[in-house]
Amino acid sequence: GQQLNQSPQSMFIQEGEDVSMNCTSSSIFNTWLWYKQDPGEGPVLLIALYKAGELTSNGRLTAQFGITRKDSFLNISASIPSDVGIYFCAGRNSGNTPLVFGKGTRLSVIA
Amino acid sequence: DVKVTQSSRYLVKRTGEKVFLECVQDMDHENMFWYRQDPGLGLRLIYFSYDVKMKEKGDIPEGYSVSREKKERFSLILESASTNQTSMYLCASSSLDSRVPNEQFFGPGTRLTVL
Repeated sequence: GQQLNQSPQSMFIQEGEDVSMNCTSSSIFNTWLWYKQDPGEGPVLLIALYKAGELTSNGRLTAQFGITRKDSFLNISASIPSDVGIYFCAGRNSGNTPLVFGKGTRLSVIA
Repeated sequence: DVKVTQSSRYLVKRTGEKVFLECVQDMDHENMFWYRQDPGLGLRLIYFSYDVKMKEKGDIPEGYSVSREKKERFSLILESASTNQTSMYLCASSSLDSRVPNEQFFGPGTRLTVL
C-alpha cells in the first residue's frame, strides 16, 4: 500500500530545544494530519490541514501543508518532557479513502 | 468528545486460538478501521468499513476477518492466532458527513501477545 516518507525516524533533544519533522509523498494529498502517540496509548490528533500553503498552530506546535500538496512539516518549539512520544503524519488524497500513515518519528526529550 | 473504546488493553492467547478484538465508538461514525502497529513499520491498515455489514480489505488482511453488525461496533477476528500476529491493534472511527472534517479518532489499543 501507499506510504508516506517521514523523517527523521527518531530524535533525541535537550529540553527547551525546537524540533522539526516532515513528511513527503510521491502523490498529491488534499488533507494532511499530524498525530501524537504517548507510550501505551492510541494516537491523538494534534493538527489537521486542508489547504495547500496552510499554516496552523496549536500551542507550541505549528504545522504546514506544503504548496506542492506533496509534503507537510511539524515544528515543536521549546520542547518539554511531556512531548516524548511517537509523532505520525497522515494524508488523504480523495474523499472518504482511508488515511495513509508515515512510519512515525520517535521523540525523546532529555531534561 | 469522540470516544473509541477497545475491549481489552492487554490480551495473551495461544497459537491456534480464535481471538476477538472488539471496538465501540459513541459518535455515530459511519467509518471504522482496524490497524496493527509494529516497531519500525508504523500503522498498517488491516480492514475498514464504511457502513453496517460492509467491509473492505486494507493493506494486510491475510489471517484476519471483521464483522460490522451494528454501526457502533467493529470486531476484528483472528480465526487461528499465530505468533506473527503478536502486535498492538488499534481501532479508529471517522465521520462520513462532508460538513465536518473526517479525521480518524483512535482507541487506546489492544496489545496482543500470541504464545
